[in-house]
Amino acid sequence: GAVVSQHPSRVICKSGTSVKIECRSLDFQATTMFWYRQFPKKSLMLMATSNEGSKATYEQGVEKDKFLINHASLTLSTLTVTSAHPEDSSFYICSADPSGNEQFFGPGTRLTVL
Amino acid sequence: QKEVEQNSGPLSVPEGAIASLNCTYSDRGSQSFFWYRQYSGKSPELIMSIYSNGDKEDGRFTAQLNKASQYVSLLIRDSQPSDSATYLCASELTGGGNKLTFGTGTQLKVEL
Repeated sequence: GAVVSQHPSRVICKSGTSVKIECRSLDFQATTMFWYRQFPKKSLMLMATSNEGSKATYEQGVEKDKFLINHASLTLSTLTVTSAHPEDSSFYICSADPSGNEQFFGPGTRLTVL
Repeated sequence: QKEVEQNSGPLSVPEGAIASLNCTYSDRGSQSFFWYRQYSGKSPELIMSIYSNGDKEDGRFTAQLNKASQYVSLLIRDSQPSDSATYLCASELTGGGNKLTFGTGTQLKVEL
């Protein structure tokens, strides 16, 4: 159990375009999901907490207007990177916690902005 | 600032040996601790969680927690080449909304 999926696994886009990444909990419901970003050879940095039916909570320094989060159902959260630029190229990973004890991660989405 | 510190490595051990990975944390409010394994280009995979002082064993893995010293470790017995990965230590604050703070990870290389 505790399977989290992400789509797409890899995306390449032009600078200035927007990219949507989906995170799904496949075998459990998640009122909360987390979005992380990881740059090469760096650790995971929490970007925001996605809350079903309410606004996401963003970490300090993360632009909420640039990284739009929508948690429309108990199994789906989406992260949209708006007007992407090369510095947004990174590995974006979501996680969810089925029991309130342990977070399980999706396989990640590698974003490359040209 | 809440921090989790790890030696980046690489830590090299021969096959069959015990690999010892260490982690320290700065916030005494941290109550839950996790070890994740991350292969290159992949997302983290949960290996162990530990909440109480002492040892917790699961197969070849043993997590150790010492809250007085603010220290968490992971021992891997009978290390295999497939254990070669980056190991991330994470802490969670009580009442922190399940948010995790990650260390930078230790790269482990198990050599034949």
